[in-house]
Amino acid sequence: GESVGLHLPTLSVQEGDNSIINCAYSNSASDYFIWYKQESGKGPQFIIDIRSNMDKRQGQRVTVLLNKTVKHLSLQIAATQPGDSAVYFCAEAAQKLVFGQGTRLTINP
Amino acid sequence: DTGVSQNPRHKITKRGQNVTFRCDPISEHNRLYWYRQTLGQGPEFLTYFQNEAQLEKSRLLSDRFSAERPKGSFSTLEIQRTEQGDSAMYLCASSPRTSGRETQYFGPGTRLLVL
Repeated sequence: GESVGLHLPTLSVQEGDNSIINCAYSNSASDYFIWYKQESGKGPQFIIDIRSNMDKRQGQRVTVLLNKTVKHLSLQIAATQPGDSAVYFCAEAAQKLVFGQGTRLTINP
Repeated sequence: DTGVSQNPRHKITKRGQNVTFRCDPISEHNRLYWYRQTLGQGPEFLTYFQNEAQLEKSRLLSDRFSAERPKGSFSTLEIQRTEQGDSAMYLCASSPRTSGRETQYFGPGTRLLVL
């Protein structure tokens, strides 16, 4: 069945450092992935997406990498800021979204 | 604000009572989705609509749950005879196309507490 998992439930980084959040998926037929950010008490907020015909996609301060060979994707956040503190989810997107459990990113001053 | 809206934002009810939540999607979005999220977990799919047609329901959606989208615009999710295990955040999302592989935009959620 479908399965999306994140490698670490929590990640703590220093302000200004880069953050890397990892995600693994099991369905080799998956062809579209989305990263969401969820702050406390709010709904998930779209960050960036990537389709399987790409290995890398960049946004503002964020980069998503997709390795289809090992069924792994990562979210890189450059120059992490206090406002980046949240739970980050990767989701496999087909007719519905299948989410992993999320990684809580904490920023140390 | 033209994002997805949900009402109420919070609901406290006693076990056995019925509750109804409303979702207003982004204007002209064809697809509307309901998810449930419990503490420390990612959202789990419940059901989705394309226009007014309910196309898929998760096994999580027991007989006590019913969702409607009568005119293909807003949607309601009703839970009858609530149980303490129904306590969760109920999230609504919408997407603009019919391919299924499009970004879904989420509302702020309705947090339900069943006492």
